[in-house]
Amino acid sequence: EAQVTQNPRYLITVTGKKLTVTCSQNMNHEYMSWYRQDPGLGLRQIYYSMNVEVTDKGDVPEGYKVSRKEKRNFPLILESPSPNQTSLYFCASSRAGTAGYNEQFFGPGTRLTVL
Amino acid sequence: AQKVTQAQTEISVVEKEDVTLDCVYETRDTTYYLFWYKQPPSGELVFLIRRNSFDEQNEISGRYSWNFQKSTSSFNFTITASQVVDSAVYFCALSEHQGGSEKLVFGKGTKLTVNP
Repeated sequence: EAQVTQNPRYLITVTGKKLTVTCSQNMNHEYMSWYRQDPGLGLRQIYYSMNVEVTDKGDVPEGYKVSRKEKRNFPLILESPSPNQTSLYFCASSRAGTAGYNEQFFGPGTRLTVL
Repeated sequence: AQKVTQAQTEISVVEKEDVTLDCVYETRDTTYYLFWYKQPPSGELVFLIRRNSFDEQNEISGRYSWNFQKSTSSFNFTITASQVVDSAVYFCALSEHQGGSEKLVFGKGTKLTVNP
């Protein structure tokens, strides 16, 4: 089954304790992206990756890191989480088509609470 | 800059009513895609439809229909004979192509509640 998986699905942590949210896709997609969803703000892009070893900042990258060492995986790293990073996080992937306008497949979401 | 506006924050209807969710977008691109996603209470994002900027035909899928009008930069979504299972947050999104990358610019969503 084609899917994007994220782990963990729920996480409660404390300020300053480094954490990683994993994202994996089995569709051989080149493009992967992280979004955060906050009430009243919709979804905003954090980072994206066009392919292995190619990453770039989205709209709200502060406080986050990513890496793309393998095509299928795109982990989101919070080196020193703060309460304002409490949010619902989505990973997405898509093919990198000729025009780039391909449907993005979303993971199930990770609900993060930073105390 | 690309922008998507969903002016209706929350809508509440009674089952079997028809309801239209509005979406207005701004872009300077001539080629772009518009999307609708559904987010039920369980939280996942469910893809509903993609429409490219050159295809202004309305689309119908069961009780769902979409009205794309380039002249007014709108891509509205209508649910006919709404059901309780339609209760969700619905997001309209615009595909932005920048420097070889693609990103979705989302509206803030419309929360639809369908009451029995």
